[in-house]
Amino acid sequence: DSGVTQTPKHLITATGQRVTLRCSPRSGDLSVYWYQQSLDQGLQFLIQYYNGEERAKGNILERFSAQQFPDLHSELNLSSLELGDSALYFCASSLGKLAGKETQYFGPGTRLLVL
Amino acid sequence: GDSVTQMEGPVTLSEEAFLTINCTYTATGYPSLFWYVQYPGEGLQLLLKATKADDKGSNKGFEATYRKETTSFHLEKGSVQVSDSAVYFCALHGSSNTGKLIFGQGTTLQVKP
Repeated sequence: DSGVTQTPKHLITATGQRVTLRCSPRSGDLSVYWYQQSLDQGLQFLIQYYNGEERAKGNILERFSAQQFPDLHSELNLSSLELGDSALYFCASSLGKLAGKETQYFGPGTRLLVL
Repeated sequence: GDSVTQMEGPVTLSEEAFLTINCTYTATGYPSLFWYVQYPGEGLQLLLKATKADDKGSNKGFEATYRKETTSFHLEKGSVQVSDSAVYFCALHGSSNTGKLIFGQGTTLQVKP
């Protein structure tokens, strides 16, 4: 158990809908990262937050957004969903003090299926 | 840009066989290198890491050495078990210094009894 929790574990929805994925980082970690794992794209970095502020952006679509709250949990919002958004979404966390040097600890993921 | 290339899978071995999964990278500077493992139906777990050239990461019988001259970080284990069956990902911290991880495509290992 990494200490990172994600809810829900599974999500099934329809095209055009909006969903919210939730992540709670390990106790003491200030950085949260979101990754998408799909069959065709592999594991891709989406976005990073540090102590409530956006720190880095990767291949995140404009239909997707995220935020990190004062209690440090994070939410990833996916809107106008398309079939191709079906994937496993991981959240990871790290201390955040040494960017580029720290180990990231991953949650169990949320499996999204868009029908 | 930064990238990671892993050997194509799946890799199928008999129990107690020697394992090597090749990983090479392209990056500027001196990125930290990682191996993560994903067991069926689970999330990613850190297996081992190395933060500078010639460092050897090791855990649970797995080892990998950071080779800057060949830009490689190959994963090895002397004697695999059925329980090692999983997908293995090589990764590096991108040179942007933000903590973003760049992953290889993953290598599936199947160990048969």
